[in-house]
Amino acid sequence: AEKVIQVWSTASRQEGEELTLDCSYETSQVLYHLFWYKHLLSGEMVFLIRQTSSSTAKERSGRYSVVFQKSLKSISLIISALQPDDSGKYFCALWELMNTGGLSGKLTFGEGTQVTVIS
Amino acid sequence: NAGVIQTPRHKVTGKGQEATLWCEPISGHSAVFWYRQTIVQGLEFLTYFRNQAPIDDSGMPKERFSAQMPNQSHSTLKIQSTQPQDSAVYLCASSTPTANTEVFFGKGTRLTVV
Repeated sequence: AEKVIQVWSTASRQEGEELTLDCSYETSQVLYHLFWYKHLLSGEMVFLIRQTSSSTAKERSGRYSVVFQKSLKSISLIISALQPDDSGKYFCALWELMNTGGLSGKLTFGEGTQVTVIS
Repeated sequence: NAGVIQTPRHKVTGKGQEATLWCEPISGHSAVFWYRQTIVQGLEFLTYFRNQAPIDDSGMPKERFSAQMPNQSHSTLKIQSTQPQDSAVYLCASSTPTANTEVFFGKGTRLTVV
């Protein structure tokens, strides 16, 4: 069964530093997407970045980038030049493409990592 | 592109009352998801529509909860006889179920049952 694990429940860094958030996952599917989201106190879930299993490109979006180690079933989110507004809870999510070509019914989320940026 | 729109943003209902939550997916997105988030349970999948058809409702409580997608521009989540444990942030998301895709969430509806 699919599973997403975020080992660290909390992380803190100084403003301006770089932070790496780790995520590991389990899937029996060949094709899948991995997403990183930031959850705001308001309840909003903000999409940050996506990694597709078939892609070897190093995904990057602004200050966000990922390190994808497919053979290890691991994906890390790197946030560079941390700002106080980066504080929040970050979720890793897995969305599997089934053998039939369609996507499964749900994203599987990890437990999240609460990030605190210290000014 | 206004993103996924959820209304209302906040809803307070009395125990036993009905609550209807609305979601307008991003135009052109054929996949719509409903999740809810609580401190205790975290993010829980509720249900998934593709091209308006219910595909997976394995996360829906069998009683009192129902979801519909009468047309491609909106979906509703209805909770009958609300209970305090239904209090949560209900998140709607939409996507195009293709090889290169993102899943975008709305800002959520915070339901409080008193």
